[in-house]
Amino acid sequence: DAGVIQSPRHEVTEMGQEVTLRCKPISGHDYLFWYRQTMMRGLELLIYFNNNVPIDDSGMPEDRFSAKMPNASFSTLKIQPSEPRDSAVYFCASSGPGQGVYGYTFGSGTRLTVV
Amino acid sequence: GQQVMQIPQYQHVQEGEDFTTYCNSSTTLSNIQWYKQRPGGHPVFLIQLVKSGEVKKQKRLTFQFGEAKKNSSLHITATQTTDVGTYFCAGRVSGTYKYIFGTGTRLKVLA
Repeated sequence: DAGVIQSPRHEVTEMGQEVTLRCKPISGHDYLFWYRQTMMRGLELLIYFNNNVPIDDSGMPEDRFSAKMPNASFSTLKIQPSEPRDSAVYFCASSGPGQGVYGYTFGSGTRLTVV
Repeated sequence: GQQVMQIPQYQHVQEGEDFTTYCNSSTTLSNIQWYKQRPGGHPVFLIQLVKSGEVKKQKRLTFQFGEAKKNSSLHITATQTTDVGTYFCAGRVSGTYKYIFGTGTRLKVLA
């Protein structure tokens, strides 16, 4: 398996623009998580899905952020409009039945810079 | 809300010295996981602890879960340069499948 695949790896955008981050989880994993990492706030859970259904979005910063999982193999995190304080590394992670043994599997992340 | 703190925030050691990072939760945890993140990389799962007082070893790494299931530690014996990175604990919120990550301890090993 190729692991969790995120795209793009790097994104530079201007303030006010819409940004869409993409994630393909590991096949067979039924949980998908979106995390944001910054120096100041560390790793923050934004939202997680179980079987494509959003379970907890209490970590989503504000209405500018939205996430979808239309099917078991694809999820998006959208920021509209983007702001400089959204600059961070965004990680997608998935887990499945062997979670206790294998934990979360993280993607390589998308480094977002909003100028 | 639930918080998971780690100390120290940074640790520089000489190669061959031991290293310990401590993880403390404001609430009781269902279980705890540990991850390692190399500079510029992504977190990689190391281990999970479930039982109160549980101790697990992986070669030079020893993981411990506190009796009250509110704290944990990771000890590395005789550090090597390959141990460089940030170590995170992640506590599972009871009744959910979400994990709250600790603040992390960044380890630097000087050759």
